[in-house]
Amino acid sequence: GQQVMQIPQYQHVQEGEDFTTYCNSSTTLSNIQWYKQRPGGHPVFLIQLVKSGEVKKQKRLTFQFGEAKKNSSLHITATQTTDVGTYFCAGHGGGSYIPTFGRGTSLIVHP
Amino acid sequence: ETGVTQTPRHLVMGMTNKKSLKCEQHLGHNAMYWYKQSAKKPLELMFVYNFKEQTENNSVPSRFSPECPNSSHLFLHLHTLQPEDSALYLCASSQDSIAANQPQHFGDGTRLSIL
Repeated sequence: GQQVMQIPQYQHVQEGEDFTTYCNSSTTLSNIQWYKQRPGGHPVFLIQLVKSGEVKKQKRLTFQFGEAKKNSSLHITATQTTDVGTYFCAGHGGGSYIPTFGRGTSLIVHP
Repeated sequence: ETGVTQTPRHLVMGMTNKKSLKCEQHLGHNAMYWYKQSAKKPLELMFVYNFKEQTENNSVPSRFSPECPNSSHLFLHLHTLQPEDSALYLCASSQDSIAANQPQHFGDGTRLSIL
């Protein structure tokens, strides 16, 4: 079955440093979604990427979808303490309408 | 306010108890989901309902029994659970048919502890 690997599992940064999390799928994806879960909270939808090579930005967050539609990344520039949380990718692929979630990357920002 | 409300927020139960988790969405969505989130595992999809019909049962043990009386409500009936079932149970909904790969809107979850 489809697998979505996400790395790293944890990332500690000093406030102001950049952060990147990566997702890799074992199969070609039709689209990929990104979610953020604050500590003690629930996953909140951030964005969806559909096109090969697509890049989208939300303020300090940059999302990329690979040319082969098998990998994606989320990059945060100049992290802030409000960025703390776990970032999940979720891919749809292989003709399945069920999303496969990555394990998530937990971001810890030290002030 | 997420538009997806789950009750109770916390539940502690013994292995022989029977309880139910409730989810209600106020977004007019047609697809609803149950997920299990454990500390050391990825988010695990349990059940999917589309227009009140169950379309996915992801090899979930029979001690978990879902019920979807209408597109706005989803229940998860629990009986004779095991300690490894302790987790955060998340309900989610999406707007259109699940085939449209719509974003999911999650509730706050029920934190379940099995004694």
